Amino acid sequence: KAGVTQTPRYLIKTRGQQVTLSCSPISGHRSVSWYQQTPGQGLQFLFEYFSETQRNKGNFPGRFSGRQFSNSRSEMNVSTLELGDSALYLCASSWTPTGAIYNEQFFGPGTRLTVL
Amino acid sequence: GENVEQHPSTLSVQEGDSAVIKCTYSDSASNYFPWYKQELGKGPQLIIDIRSNVGEKKDQRIAVTLNKTAKHFSLHITETQPEDSAVYFCAASKEGGSEKLVFGKGMKLTVNP
Repeated sequence: KAGVTQTPRYLIKTRGQQVTLSCSPISGHRSVSWYQQTPGQGLQFLFEYFSETQRNKGNFPGRFSGRQFSNSRSEMNVSTLELGDSALYLCASSWTPTGAIYNEQFFGPGTRLTVL
Repeated sequence: GENVEQHPSTLSVQEGDSAVIKCTYSDSASNYFPWYKQELGKGPQLIIDIRSNVGEKKDQRIAVTLNKTAKHFSLHITETQPEDSAVYFCAASKEGGSEKLVFGKGMKLTVNP
């Protein structure tokens, strides 16, 4: 099975711009979570989607948003970029049968975002 | 909310030695504790996990222990090899819904040949 894929792998943007990152989960996985990784804060949860619905959200400003499509692919968007948004953005997928246990998450390689 | 503390932040060992990473968590309702290994330029990779109904789990050179009473869990790597060099993260979560993983800050392990 192919793993979690994320595109693009690297992005350079300037302050004030917006960016969209894409994540394709492992085939059959319906849950997609997004995390921000920085040297200072470590891995921080952004949000989680299941069946096109956001089920959980971390403590990030409204500039960070996401969505999930019917094929379970997900995108996250960051508007009005700030220097502090520079980070590795990681997507993780898991197989989550409806109403059942939330299983182990498998991470993609991440998108390295640099804001200048 | 859940808080996960991880110690030490760095560890350097000689090839063949053992390495131990310790984590504590704050939410007694957490019941799922995975460990991830992250190599340079890659995403975290799940290496082993343990659930609260189990006290210990082994997989070849890797073992994880869980003490629910003390709310701490540990990763043990025996017979370390240079390819074990990476950053290791512990995490905690509550299974059964959409609970997020809460990660420790990570530990950089260096195995010297």
